Amino acid sequence: AVQLTQSPSSLSASVGDRVTITCRASQDISTALAWYQHKPGRAPQVLIYHASNLESGVPSRFRGSGSGTDFTLTISSLQPEDFATYYCQQYNLYPSFGGGTKVEIK
Amino acid sequence: EVRLLESGRGLVQRGGSLRVSCVASGFTFSKNSMAWVRQAPGKGLEWVSSISDSGEYTYYADSVRGRFTISRDNSKNTLYLHMSSLGAEDTAVYYCAREAAGPTTYFDYWGQGTLVTVSS
Repeated sequence: AVQLTQSPSSLSASVGDRVTITCRASQDISTALAWYQHKPGRAPQVLIYHASNLESGVPSRFRGSGSGTDFTLTISSLQPEDFATYYCQQYNLYPSFGGGTKVEIK
Repeated sequence: EVRLLESGRGLVQRGGSLRVSCVASGFTFSKNSMAWVRQAPGKGLEWVSSISDSGEYTYYADSVRGRFTISRDNSKNTLYLHMSSLGAEDTAVYYCAREAAGPTTYFDYWGQGTLVTVSS
């Protein structure tokens, strides 16, 4: 099974900050990686697929990059509605998720 | 508008069984693979199972293989997950999700989830 390690597990940031979350896969997954935003009591929402493709309707301040084993989600200017938990997910083999990164208000 | 509505929320005893359902609307259900993903209290997301558009192919996480069965009724636009031999580790919110590009890929729409609690 492919293991995904996200870092950090949590972070505090202010509105307007640039935020970077990393996801490392235990083996080469090419670009078979998605990123999700999840708020309590809500359905998760896909932000990025195929490592760097922005899902329709998602603001352009979200950017995904990487391939192979190392991936990054960047939020260029954090907005109040972006405080949530973010997960990476690989689909090179059976799906698996990273442990999540909780983005909190500083 | 794509909508996925889960039902079957419940409290079940350890070793018992439960079926959760998901009714889909707003898209051609029979053309999409579907999946179940769960989240245990205070934990992250865990993929549970996927099923192909026709229902011919099914896939399971090691943690549930042999205990859970995924199925679908395309005439009713409904996805099911039958769970048996339940343990405390199966307590979670169970989300129904649409697969974006075939089974075991990524998920472009999710339901709000239904809570399953296994009591000891």
